[in-house]
Amino acid sequence: DTEVTQTPKHLVMGMTNKKSLKCEQHMGHRAMYWYKQKAKKPPELMFVYSYEKLSINESVPSRFSPECPNSSLLNLHLHALQPEDSALYLCASSNDRGGTPNYGYTFGSGTRLTVV
Amino acid sequence: QQQVKQSPQSLIVQKGGISIINCAYENTAFDYFPWYQQFPGKGPALLIAIRPDVSEKKEGRFTISFNKSAKQFSLHIMDSQPGDSATYFCAASLRYGQNFVFGPGTRLSVLP
Repeated sequence: DTEVTQTPKHLVMGMTNKKSLKCEQHMGHRAMYWYKQKAKKPPELMFVYSYEKLSINESVPSRFSPECPNSSLLNLHLHALQPEDSALYLCASSNDRGGTPNYGYTFGSGTRLTVV
Repeated sequence: QQQVKQSPQSLIVQKGGISIINCAYENTAFDYFPWYQQFPGKGPALLIAIRPDVSEKKEGRFTISFNKSAKQFSLHIMDSQPGDSATYFCAASLRYGQNFVFGPGTRLSVLP
């Protein structure tokens, strides 16, 4: 299995809702990431988990709450979002130790989030 | 210092032509330079990558050229095909880094 699976693919939520994005990988990667991507822009790093511990939080507002229940799963809990939070949310994983000619992230297809 | 610049912003190439995308960086501590390809509605996919100890790397129709002294690197797509139409991002990181810095992206359109 060489994929990162994200669910749901699309999500519409109101500003008072609570929802969660889910990400799963079975490649044995020990680093997992959440990125936010606005239209026609590069991905922006939000969070990094390394060996199931949060290692990087890029000053993300508390209305976004990450969780890593185990080495294969990554969640992003959403609460009280704003319309400007509408974006493509990408999950990625990596083996974080290189050692291969083309080291890098494996991205999921993302969740298209619309906040109304 | 952390920025990666990329040009052009958009590129139109005829089928069979050569597509060239350029990137430049400032941080000399960067040690790894991947290129990602992203189709609409999909996540970016790793295309090819290079380390600064080599000046060129070729995989099929895709070639990275790297100029360490100029702190520049470029992606060449030979015999460009309509299926190559996508957005391309260059990136940079520290060795085995967990935080890639992405360029702003180049939207490539290959005309049939």
